[in-house]
Amino acid sequence: RKEVEQDPGPFNVPEGATVAFNCTYSNSASQSFFWYRQDCRKEPKLLMSVYSSGNEDGRFTAQLNRASQYISLLIRDSKLSDSATYLCVVKRGTDKLIFGTGTRLQVFP
Amino acid sequence: TAGITQAPTSQILAAGRSMTLRCTQDMRHNAMYWYRQDLGLGLRLIHYSNTAGTTGKGEVPDGYSVSRANTDDFPLTLASAVPSQTSVYFCASSDNGNQPQHFGDGTRLSIL
Repeated sequence: RKEVEQDPGPFNVPEGATVAFNCTYSNSASQSFFWYRQDCRKEPKLLMSVYSSGNEDGRFTAQLNRASQYISLLIRDSKLSDSATYLCVVKRGTDKLIFGTGTRLQVFP
Repeated sequence: TAGITQAPTSQILAAGRSMTLRCTQDMRHNAMYWYRQDLGLGLRLIHYSNTAGTTGKGEVPDGYSVSRANTDDFPLTLASAVPSQTSVYFCASSDNGNQPQHFGDGTRLSIL
């Protein structure tokens, strides 16, 4: 079983839709959580960190559920430019980052 | 702003040859990392360096070596390339191990 699991998708949604991705992690010692975005054939870029109380950045909302060991990302009012692969990333203390394989989102007109 | 620069952008290499992938950052970050990304497997850590002069093994270190002579540079060497090392290689850096990582543009390497 992978330490970080994501539904690979693709999620195909129309512009303006709300879409949510979940990610589960297996190691309860995980302490830091992030969502990265990766466009096709490009490098991963940090989208947002995920805090215990949940956090929002514009149209993006991230939630953490430590009891169930999952992280979510909600995108409201989807734009064509949101089409990308979204990587769930987990970190244990000072250990290295563990990347999920990503969830692909395709927003269509 | 340069950030992290990787070179070359892409390379085709014959099996058995050696190759060094270059990575340079101008952010004075202490920590640097090398990943490979393969379809269905996501990003896997090859080697890392928490600070100049130190290196460590990641998840998939076999067949690769690194050095960290100074803060800015973190080259990755394949001593004798094999086809299974065909991949996209990303270099990343962070201010310290607790900060998010910033990635270079990647190097697409094909071993024939």
